[in-house]
Amino acid sequence: NAGVTQTPKFRILKIGQSMTLQCTQDMNHNYMYWYRQDPGMGLKLIYYSVGAGITDKGEVPNGYNVSRSTTEDFPLRLELAAPSQTSVYFCASSRDRGSNTEAFFGQGTRLTVV
Amino acid sequence: GNSVTQMEGPVTLSEEAFLTINCTYTATGYPSLFWYVQYPGEGLQLLLKATKADDKGSNKGFEATYRKETTSFHLEKGSVQVSDSAVYFCALTTYNNNDMRFGAGTRLTVKP
Repeated sequence: NAGVTQTPKFRILKIGQSMTLQCTQDMNHNYMYWYRQDPGMGLKLIYYSVGAGITDKGEVPNGYNVSRSTTEDFPLRLELAAPSQTSVYFCASSRDRGSNTEAFFGQGTRLTVV
Repeated sequence: GNSVTQMEGPVTLSEEAFLTINCTYTATGYPSLFWYVQYPGEGLQLLLKATKADDKGSNKGFEATYRKETTSFHLEKGSVQVSDSAVYFCALTTYNNNDMRFGAGTRLTVKP
């Protein structure tokens, strides 16, 4: 059972570089999310999608972009990496929202910007 | 807006001790409440949930009761094990929102 798969697991970027964090889910979930996890701060929502072709901003979208061309894939793009983007990034998906919203998480991507 | 406040850690206990991790929330509408657990090097996974007032969620010996009057969802376990060492997150969602709000997480370490 693959669930939610994120790549890469680790990455070091130089300031100003760009990269794409990949996320794929095989559960046919409509809802997908990107979170960042900073020490002692819990998870903050970056972007989310309610279905293919539909995305929206979360709490902390600045410096990131997303696209959702298929139900399965939800990549996160960092255009000009900054040290403030050093964090652990989690992709998640869910079948629905509200009381049925059990979210399934990937294993995370640890990103360091130097 | 919706938010979750969780007791700060870290929490260190001896094996077989009683565990309580406090969680309170603020929400518009009628939230569903969740506890997620994150083991080292892994993503979060659902531990238990409750979808309406007075519901009790339970799993793997952990319990939490949805208390609307105190806006709380405290996590408890009667006898912790070393394998329970992890970070625990309280979270909520409401049907009129598209995102899930998480607390800051509480790191639990259980010593033999």
